[in-house]
Amino acid sequence: KQEVTQIPAALSVPEGENLVLNCSFTDSAIYNLQWFRQDPGKGLTSLLLIQSSQREQTSGRLNASLDKSSGRSTLYIAASQPGDSATYLCAVEPDSWGKLQFGAGTQVVVTP
Amino acid sequence: GAGVSQSPRYKVAKRGQDVALRCDPISGHVSLFWYQQALGQGPEFLTYFQNEAQLDKSGLPSDRFFAERPEGSVSTLKIQRTQQEDSAVYLCASSLRGASGGQPQHFGDGTRLSIL
Repeated sequence: KQEVTQIPAALSVPEGENLVLNCSFTDSAIYNLQWFRQDPGKGLTSLLLIQSSQREQTSGRLNASLDKSSGRSTLYIAASQPGDSATYLCAVEPDSWGKLQFGAGTQVVVTP
Repeated sequence: GAGVSQSPRYKVAKRGQDVALRCDPISGHVSLFWYQQALGQGPEFLTYFQNEAQLDKSGLPSDRFFAERPEGSVSTLKIQRTQQEDSAVYLCASSLRGASGGQPQHFGDGTRLSIL
């Protein structure tokens, strides 16, 4: 059974520091992996989607890598800002239908 | 254009009552998903529709949970004889294509259900 783990559960950094968020999964047979952001009381916003054939995706200050063989993905956020404060969730697609299996998330606080 | 819309945003019900949660996906989106999110946890998959067909309902916790999407657009998640453990945020998501093809899912803001 696929399990998705995110470590650490919470992270606090001063503004300007780079953020490194980790996601691990137990079954490497995945179709895609997505990173999401969730603000309090809100739904999820898709940040990056990495297809199984890809190694990384980049969007602005965000970069996500995927290593299927080791069951790991890392989200890098460069030069963090207070507006980056949120919970970040990774999710894998275990089959072709698109349903997602999520980790519990990493709660990030960026202090001014 | 409008995103995924869910209503109501908040619902309080007494144990034993039936509730209905509505999801309006993005127009033209083929796939629709329901998830349940407990406090401090990631969302858990409940069920999946491709157009009006419910292709996967393996995540529904019990036969008290029922979902439909009769015309392939709006979907309703119904919970009968609610229990306290049903208290959670229910999220709806939609995506453009049927099978996974690198299409991101777009989420609504959810319905926060509290069972007293």
